Amino acid sequence: DAGITQSPRHKVTETGTPVTLRCHQTENHRYMYWYRQDPGHGLRLIHYSYGVKDTDKGEVSDGYSVSRSKTEDFLLTLESATSSQTSVYFCAITNTGELFFGEGSRLTVL
Amino acid sequence: TQLLEQSPQFLSIQEGENLTVYCNSSSVFSSLQWYRQEPGEGPVLLVTVVTGGEVKKLKRLTFQFGDARKDSSLHITAAQPGDTGLYLCAGVLTSGTYKYIFGTGTRLKVLA
Repeated sequence: DAGITQSPRHKVTETGTPVTLRCHQTENHRYMYWYRQDPGHGLRLIHYSYGVKDTDKGEVSDGYSVSRSKTEDFLLTLESATSSQTSVYFCAITNTGELFFGEGSRLTVL
Repeated sequence: TQLLEQSPQFLSIQEGENLTVYCNSSSVFSSLQWYRQEPGEGPVLLVTVVTGGEVKKLKRLTFQFGDARKDSSLHITAAQPGDTGLYLCAGVLTSGTYKYIFGTGTRLKVLA
């Protein structure tokens, strides 16, 4: 199994508070991704990174920012959480095109 | 509206039946993948197709990439309860990148 760790795995927060999700990998993969999963939508790409400090917006990037200061960590920040950002968030990595996923982080915004 | 639409969204069938899941878009993809996801876990890759018209088989699963590279299908022969899960297609729009977008998903339940 690819070494991918997401933290926290579960979080409940209130509207308007900042939230940061962390994805940590031990595989030295170049590409890292943040997706959100909601019923009826499959997975939707929020941001992805193609190298340290190189990131690109995905389909649903509004309200989210990312940072990648080193190969192994990719941070997803919700500057001011809203109820519409309640979701399960998945991190993924790849070097070859086969995506390997973390176990997901369930975020509830009240 | 997502670029990759899957149909059907839900499918419940009896063990031994055949089924086909579709992944459609108006855009051309340089490659397309299929993943399966089980509850509480991340998706796992089943197959990658890169050539228009390409057909790949994985035991009882047959995957096809459309000639125009805008659509794909997944056919399962003699479905088994172990095939139960969420099936997701994913594609790359821009050749030379690994910027994958996913489809809307098909949730399959195979009853024993």
